Amino acid sequence: DAKTTQPPSMDCAEGRAANLPCNHSTISGNEYVYWYRQIHSQGPQYIIHGLKNNETNEMASLIITEDRKSSTLILPHATLRDTAVYYCIVSSGSNDYKLSFGAGTTVTVRA
Amino acid sequence: EPEVTQTPSHQVTQMGQEVILRCVPISNHLYFYWYRQILGQKVEFLVSFYNNEISEKSEIFDDQFSVERPDGSNFTLKIRSTKLEDSAMYFCASHRTSSGNTIYFGEGSWLTVV
Repeated sequence: DAKTTQPPSMDCAEGRAANLPCNHSTISGNEYVYWYRQIHSQGPQYIIHGLKNNETNEMASLIITEDRKSSTLILPHATLRDTAVYYCIVSSGSNDYKLSFGAGTTVTVRA
Repeated sequence: EPEVTQTPSHQVTQMGQEVILRCVPISNHLYFYWYRQILGQKVEFLVSFYNNEISEKSEIFDDQFSVERPDGSNFTLKIRSTKLEDSAMYFCASHRTSSGNTIYFGEGSWLTVV
């Protein structure tokens, strides 16, 4: 079972930042926080991951609290193409690991 | 950018028929996976494969399912005798070996059993 809690849905205005929260209060010291998204039943797309430091790439930023019990994915300038289901997943990321997908957050970006 | 490719994109099959779904993982990846997603439901782990053997499988992955890496590039999922409830999107995924690495997914094969 997924070890994260996410809101089921959220709306965002196009061009604005989208902040997606995730709670993972039982995360272990060796577990990473991964974010994936799925656009309309396509394959899950990797966005970003982190262990304890904040991370940024060309798609998004990941802010992890100091106690690592929650995190926020930030899409800095949401576009209509960012409408998708976003999954926050904790996993060891070690040699042979699996991703346990929950229901995720359905993000709808509106013009 | 390298990607995981899957074929076919969509297959319709009669109940009881055998189906083989094919995947070409990213070339330098060593760990391979199959996931599935029944319409409207969560993405579910089926099986992981490393060093030419199954390393973990879920309870969904029963005796009707098998996986194989017949050559250096392909990774296949076989369903021996399909059932209506096998209708789903099947995703292949792969990753390299190292800590904190990333699993990359293919676009999926949509299987419809009639």
